[in-house]
Amino acid sequence: KAGVTQTPRYLIKTRGQQVTLSCSPISGHRSVSWYQQTPGQGLQFLFEYFSETQRNKGNFPGRFSGRQFSNSRSEMNVSTLELGDSALYLCASSAGGGDTEAFFGQGTRLTVV
Amino acid sequence: GENVEQHPSTLSVQEGDSAVIKCTYSDSASNYFPWYKQELGKRPQLIIDIRSNVGEKKDQRIAVTLNKTAKHFSLHITETQPEDSAVYFCAASMHSNYQLIWGAGTKLIIKP
Repeated sequence: KAGVTQTPRYLIKTRGQQVTLSCSPISGHRSVSWYQQTPGQGLQFLFEYFSETQRNKGNFPGRFSGRQFSNSRSEMNVSTLELGDSALYLCASSAGGGDTEAFFGQGTRLTVV
Repeated sequence: GENVEQHPSTLSVQEGDSAVIKCTYSDSASNYFPWYKQELGKRPQLIIDIRSNVGEKKDQRIAVTLNKTAKHFSLHITETQPEDSAVYFCAASMHSNYQLIWGAGTKLIIKP
């Protein structure tokens, strides 16, 4: 059974640009959550999608958006990048949501210069 | 809003000793409490979880206890080994919308 796959693994972008990250969940999983992790920081929740609908949202500005496709693959977009957006972005998939095991991808390391 | 407090932020123990990490949650209707381990440079992985109808769960050297009245749960690691060095995250699932609320993490250091 394939795990959660995130692409790309590494990205370098310039301040002001936009970026799209992709997450392919485990087959059959309908929930995909996105997290931002900076050095020494915990898992900051961005949003969760379930069956193509945003079910939960964290406290991030509107520059952060996402979507989920009918095959449960999810994308996250960050517009007008700021230096502070440099972080590891993790996605996690689960069968049902918060009360089932979350399987994390290896993450996308975004560097904004 | 709902939150999960995790303590301590850093824990240093001698190899072979026990380690305990504690979390307190605010949503009394929370019903699922997982613990994740994140080794340096790796993704978080579930190590143990407990549901609200159970008070304790063990898996070899690790155990989790849940006190619903006090709204706190703890991770216990016995006979610690170097490979236990990692950041541990607790979380609680909000009953209303299935969202996982995460603790801030505990960096566990095992001293040789």
